[in-house]
Amino acid sequence: GQQLNQSPQSMFIQEGEDVSMNCTSSSIFNTWLWYKQDPGEGPVLLIALYKAGELTSNGRLTAQFGITRKDSFLNISASIPSDVGIYFCAGDGPNTGNQFYFGTGTSLTVIP
Amino acid sequence: ETGVTQTPRHLVMGMTNKKSLKCEQHLGHNAMYWYKQSAKKPLELMFVYSLEERVENNSVPSRFSPECPNSSHLFLHLHTLQPEDSALYLCASSHGTSGETQYFGPGTRLLVL
Repeated sequence: GQQLNQSPQSMFIQEGEDVSMNCTSSSIFNTWLWYKQDPGEGPVLLIALYKAGELTSNGRLTAQFGITRKDSFLNISASIPSDVGIYFCAGDGPNTGNQFYFGTGTSLTVIP
Repeated sequence: ETGVTQTPRHLVMGMTNKKSLKCEQHLGHNAMYWYKQSAKKPLELMFVYSLEERVENNSVPSRFSPECPNSSHLFLHLHTLQPEDSALYLCASSHGTSGETQYFGPGTRLLVL
């Protein structure tokens, strides 16, 4: 079946540092999505990517759709305490049967 | 006002109880989804509805019964659940089902005793 590997599983960083996380899939995707989930809440969409090579920013967040269509990256610049949460990638493609597959999440802790 | 709302936010039930989770979307979307989120595991898709018709059922036990009376409302009826069914149940919606971005509700935290 489809596999989506997200890394790292967790990160502990100092406020002001940059953060980078990524997802890789076992097959090609047509869409990559990045979500953030705060404790006790549902995932909130951060960035959506629809084209290989696409680089999209949302404030201090930047995400890229890998050229191989099997990976995606999310970067957060100059982290602040409210960046704390779990970040999920999700993707769908020709082999996913109209459903999105989700990564296991990257838990981010920002130390003031 | 959030685009996707879910009630209740928290639910504790015994294994013999019957309860229902409710989801409502205010985004004019045509597709709605139920997901189960357990600790340390990826989101698990349970059901997909498109234009009120079920289009996906990922081998979910029959003790979970979905209902979609219209494109804005989605229910998940629960009966004779097991403790391992305790999880966060998330509802989502999208314009369509082909690679459309999904928007999530806040979830219902379910504890089965």
